[in-house]
Amino acid sequence: DAGVIQSPRHEVTEMGQEVTLRCKPISGHNSLFWYRQTMMRGLELLIYFNNNVPIDDSGMPEDRFSAKMPNASFSTLKIQPSEPRDSAVYFCASSLDRGKRGYTFGSGTRLTVV
Amino acid sequence: KQEVTQIPAALSVPEGENLVLNCSFTDSAIYNLQWFRQDPGKGLTSLLLIQSSQREQTSGRLNASLDKSSGRSTLYIAASQPGDSATYLCALRGGSQGNLIFGKGTKLSVKP
Repeated sequence: DAGVIQSPRHEVTEMGQEVTLRCKPISGHNSLFWYRQTMMRGLELLIYFNNNVPIDDSGMPEDRFSAKMPNASFSTLKIQPSEPRDSAVYFCASSLDRGKRGYTFGSGTRLTVV
Repeated sequence: KQEVTQIPAALSVPEGENLVLNCSFTDSAIYNLQWFRQDPGKGLTSLLLIQSSQREQTSGRLNASLDKSSGRSTLYIAASQPGDSATYLCALRGGSQGNLIFGKGTKLSVKP
């Protein structure tokens, strides 16, 4: 298996622009998680899906953030409009059965908003 | 609210030394605990997963233990090597939640 695949690896955008991050979970995994990592706050959960349904989005910082999982093999995290404080590394992770057997992380997307 | 603490935040040791990284948590109602390694600018690599019913897991030179009653986990690295230099993250899945809660990590530097 190729693991959890995220794209793009790096994204540099101007303030106010829309940003879309993409994730392909491991085939067969039914839970998907979006995390954000910053120096100040470490790794924080933004949202997670189980069987394509959002279960907990309490970590989504503002209405500017939205996430979708239209099918079991694809998810997007969108920021519109982007702001400099959104600059961080965004990780996607997937697991079987809500993490009961551990989690596998993608390589992350490093977002820089200038 | 579950909180995960890792001490120390940074550690520097000479090559060949055995070392222990510590992780503590405030709520013992956990489902499992996972140790990850993160190299600079890279993603998270899973090292060991301990289910709540287990006391320890071993992989090569790594041994992770779990003591739920005291809210502690340790990662033991034997015969450290410069290639072990990385940030080590402890994360746990709560009993009722499906998400991982992370500590801030311990940045390990192994000097040749």
